[in-house]
Amino acid sequence: GENVEQHPSTLSVQEGDSAVIKCTYSDSASNYFPWYKQELGKGPQLIIDIRSNVGEKKDQRIAVTLNKTAKHFSLHITETQPEDSAVYFCAASRSNNNDMRFGAGTRLTVKP
Amino acid sequence: EPEVTQTPSHQVTQMGQEVILRCVPISNHLYFYWYRQILGQKVEFLVSFYNNEISEKSEIFDDQFSVERPDGSNFTLKIRSTKLEDSAMYFCASSAQGGGNQPQHFGDGTRLSIL
Repeated sequence: GENVEQHPSTLSVQEGDSAVIKCTYSDSASNYFPWYKQELGKGPQLIIDIRSNVGEKKDQRIAVTLNKTAKHFSLHITETQPEDSAVYFCAASRSNNNDMRFGAGTRLTVKP
Repeated sequence: EPEVTQTPSHQVTQMGQEVILRCVPISNHLYFYWYRQILGQKVEFLVSFYNNEISEKSEIFDDQFSVERPDGSNFTLKIRSTKLEDSAMYFCASSAQGGGNQPQHFGDGTRLSIL
């Protein structure tokens, strides 16, 4: 089955700097890659997703890139703010399979 | 913005007892899911549900687990005879479309503690 690896497990940046979180996946049939943000005491919140027919997607300060050949995808947050501090999860799934596999999470801390 | 709601936020149960976790998915969504997250571990898929049937389940979802949509709004997860290792956060999610490659929206979870 699919295996998603995520790194780093923790990331600390200064406010205004960029943050990059990387994930790899094993199943070449995976074609949907969402990113979730989880704040303390809350559930995972979908912040951006990308499908395998696209190499990059951007939404304001957040962007995701996908390299299908290498089977990895990354989350980029620019101009980080303290409210970006949270745990971020990547995930992967494929058509006709509801078993979405998650990475282990990255705890991002943005220092003011 | 519509959201998935889960109750209770925290459930404490004696080992061997039955527990029911409740979820109200987003109203126009048709696909429902349960996940669990043991402390310090990955979020793990348990089951997906569509059209009053389980569409997929993981190896975790054994005979002690069941799901039900008892009415038009609720979606429940029942654990028949709880074990210590069932202690975890349980998340409900829903999506407007299915197929595995659709956005899923999560509730804030129920923390289940088995004593």
